[in-house]
Amino acid sequence: EVQLVESGGGLVQPGGSLRLSCAASGFTFSSYDMHWVRQATGKGLEWVSAIGTAGDTYYPGSVKGRFTISRENAKNSLYLQMNSLRAGDTAVYYCARAVHGGNSFDYWGQGTLVTVSS
Amino acid sequence: DIQMTQSPSSLSASVGDRVTITCRASQSISSYLNWYQQKPGKAPKLLIYAASSLQSGVPSRFSGSGSGTDFTLTISSLQPEDFATYYCQQSYSTPQVTFGQGTRLEIK
Repeated sequence: EVQLVESGGGLVQPGGSLRLSCAASGFTFSSYDMHWVRQATGKGLEWVSAIGTAGDTYYPGSVKGRFTISRENAKNSLYLQMNSLRAGDTAVYYCARAVHGGNSFDYWGQGTLVTVSS
Repeated sequence: DIQMTQSPSSLSASVGDRVTITCRASQSISSYLNWYQQKPGKAPKLLIYAASSLQSGVPSRFSGSGSGTDFTLTISSLQPEDFATYYCQQSYSTPQVTFGQGTRLEIK
């Protein structure tokens, strides 16, 4: 059974840092592109970052230079290092597996809440 | 960036109704369009990929159509478990994807 389990969320002050983790199981992790998607309370879905099987990384302008996605295939783990956090980064963060040529997300974690507040 | 616009933003319907949700892209995205269902407190669930392909395990009452800039998600006969929020997502510019703002489907 495919499972994605996020951890590492919590309360952090503006300007602070946080590292999220996503533990994958039930599939060959190294063979899939992986993504982070976030959702502020009551709002829609926003793509945050992606990492390919070769370790290539991608970000939208809203987080580029502040967030870093990485993966450790030996540990079946995905990470998101978030620096210079802002109130607008407050959201539930989901990790998701990309399929169908990397074009859609068939499995998602349960999400981890990040709250940026003083 | 490719912008995705869904309509309506919310919709009230009854069990057994046929429902259609529309998604429009700001530029042509061929058939690189996916649909997700999200229930409160849960992660999104993939329903339709590549505009019209049904994801494994998804009931056949869900269908998708369209290409270019205009797409639709249709639920042929609403069931109680279908009341949720639906999102479209473009993957033309993958991995840099974008989502629509969502359509909330409520019980009338």
